[in-house]
Amino acid sequence: GDSVTQMEGPVTLSEEAFLTINCTYTATGYPSLFWYVQYPGEGLQLLLKATKADDKGSNKGFEATYRKETTSFHLEKGSVQVSDSAVYFCALYNAGNMLTFGGGTRLMVKP
Amino acid sequence: DAGVIQSPRHEVTEMGQEVTLRCKPISGHDYLFWYRQTMMRGLELLIYFNNNVPIDDSGMPEDRFSAKMPNASFSTLKIQPSEPRDSAVYFCASQLGGASTDTQYFGPGTRLTVL
Repeated sequence: GDSVTQMEGPVTLSEEAFLTINCTYTATGYPSLFWYVQYPGEGLQLLLKATKADDKGSNKGFEATYRKETTSFHLEKGSVQVSDSAVYFCALYNAGNMLTFGGGTRLMVKP
Repeated sequence: DAGVIQSPRHEVTEMGQEVTLRCKPISGHDYLFWYRQTMMRGLELLIYFNNNVPIDDSGMPEDRFSAKMPNASFSTLKIQPSEPRDSAVYFCASQLGGASTDTQYFGPGTRLTVL
């Protein structure tokens, strides 16, 4: 079945550092790929998505490119802020109307 | 739109009691999902509905769990009897349609503690 693998956290960075959170997936067909973010005490929010190979999703300075050849969707941001501290989930959506989530990666940004 | 609404936000109960969690999806959304989040198991899909009909309940842990969607604007997740291992955050999410490009919108969650 489909699966999503994320790097384990926590990832601890200083403010203005470069961020990469790795995500790889296994799926048949052509899934859509998503990054969700969960701030403390809140539900998940869509951060960005990409629906086909080579698409780049972007939002709030975050970017991720759908790489079919490497089955990856790594999340990047050039300069993180303390307010970016949260848990980030990579997910895919394939046939069956269900999202398959990775285990989540906690990001902690220190001032 | 107010987004997905869940109630209560926090619930503390004693083992053996019945617990009912409530969800109001975004108006016009055809799909509704119930998830459970724990440190040990991460985010798990319990059940989802399409047009108020349960489609896949394979994630429901056991018969103590049941979910209903009597109309397009309301769903419940019931645990009877509750056990300490049911302690978790329960999320409801809704989605407009079944396309792979559609976005799921999550509610704020209900934090359940079973003593």
